[in-house]
Amino acid sequence: DVKVTQSSRYLVKRTGEKVFLECVQDMDHENMFWYRQDPGLGLRLIYFSYDVKMKEKGDIPEGYSVSREKKERFSLILESASTNQTSMYLCASSPWGLIAYNEQFFGPGTRLTVL
Amino acid sequence: DQQVKQNSPSLSVQEGRISILNCDYTNSMFDYFLWYKKYPAEGPTFLISISSIKDKNEDGRFTVFLNKSAKHLSLHIVPSQPGDSAVYFCAASDSGGSNYKLTFGKGTLLTVNP
Repeated sequence: DVKVTQSSRYLVKRTGEKVFLECVQDMDHENMFWYRQDPGLGLRLIYFSYDVKMKEKGDIPEGYSVSREKKERFSLILESASTNQTSMYLCASSPWGLIAYNEQFFGPGTRLTVL
Repeated sequence: DQQVKQNSPSLSVQEGRISILNCDYTNSMFDYFLWYKKYPAEGPTFLISISSIKDKNEDGRFTVFLNKSAKHLSLHIVPSQPGDSAVYFCAASDSGGSNYKLTFGKGTLLTVNP
């Protein structure tokens, strides 16, 4: 059974803190993604990685960075958390190939609140 | 600029009836479309997809129809069941462009009443 896990289901941080969101997949997928989901806005892509140490910006990368040191792990970093980064964060993975045709498998999400 | 639009934020249907969820897109380069279902406190799960070379794809109770000239697709669920109650996201991609990217709609909350 395919599995994408995220380190925390709920997280509360203070403005200005550095925040790490971790994602691990056990499917040996090459591609990994970070999205945020906000009411009325759907899912928006923050960053994407198609290989270890490789990353590409998505639609809303400002205020975020990512790290992919191992194939199975993709980290999202908020360098200095702000209240407008309060959101549901979703990690996803998909296998190598024409990514557009590949189903993305999502983790359960991390509900981040920045006070 | 919203390239994938789900204009109905919510839909309510009776158990056993048909549910029709609609999605419109503006980017004529989109050539692959997917539907995801999301329960509260869970990540989205893939439901069904369709390539632009087809106009219909069926999987059990779920059928997706694509009308390229109208830039419109719809998801039909027949018969609807209470367990289908969830948020449904339409997504689209351009395989010739940024082929890693799925563009999602805002979602439609489906409620199936027993």
